[in-house]
Amino acid sequence: EVYLVESGGGLVHPGGSLRLSCTASGFTFSDYEMNWVRQAPGKGLEWISYISASGRTTFYADSVMGRFTISRDNAKDSLFLQMNSLRAEDTAVYYCSREGVSAGGAPDYWGQGTLVTVSS
Amino acid sequence: DIVMTQPPLSSPVTLGQPASISCRSSQSLVHSDGNTYLNWVQQRPGQPPRLLIYKSSNRFSGVPDRFSGSGAGTDFTLKISRVEAEDVGVYYCMQATQFGYTFGQGTKLEIK
Repeated sequence: EVYLVESGGGLVHPGGSLRLSCTASGFTFSDYEMNWVRQAPGKGLEWISYISASGRTTFYADSVMGRFTISRDNAKDSLFLQMNSLRAEDTAVYYCSREGVSAGGAPDYWGQGTLVTVSS
Repeated sequence: DIVMTQPPLSSPVTLGQPASISCRSSQSLVHSDGNTYLNWVQQRPGQPPRLLIYKSSNRFSGVPDRFSGSGAGTDFTLKISRVEAEDVGVYYCMQATQFGYTFGQGTKLEIK
């Protein structure tokens, strides 16, 4: 069975940094493109970043461009999100999701999410 | 970016009756490869999102057949043929035709 487990969330001061991880199991991680999606408290879903299966191609939402970096370690079945210069508006639950090959690239599996709170 | 627009609330529906949720995109979602990358995800209270429909009308594995998707170009609809109590939640359309991917603001399924 496919599992995605996020970790690394917590409380951080404005301007601080945090690194999120997403550990995958139940499938060949290196074959799949991955994304990070976040959800601010009581709000909707916001896509923030994409990475290709090889890790060579990345895309970012304008709201995090230049501050967040997505990466992956296929040898360790892990996805990462390095978040720098954090702001109050980055407070959200962060989900990793897999782009399903048999689902036309749609986000077919999601983790449970990890909460990031940016506050002084 | 492509803007996805959904109503915040569905029309109130009685359990066992049909429901539909609309979604409109600010530009055509037809990709240069000919596919339309419009997805529907469900989020039950306190749960992570779950994929229901991909490429406008394809039901994802394990999704009950009471869920169906339709539409083309800029106008799309998610239909539930007979609403059940477990369908309570928020439904999001999402376009993956163009980076950055964008979600609609979500439609809360309202039960009478």
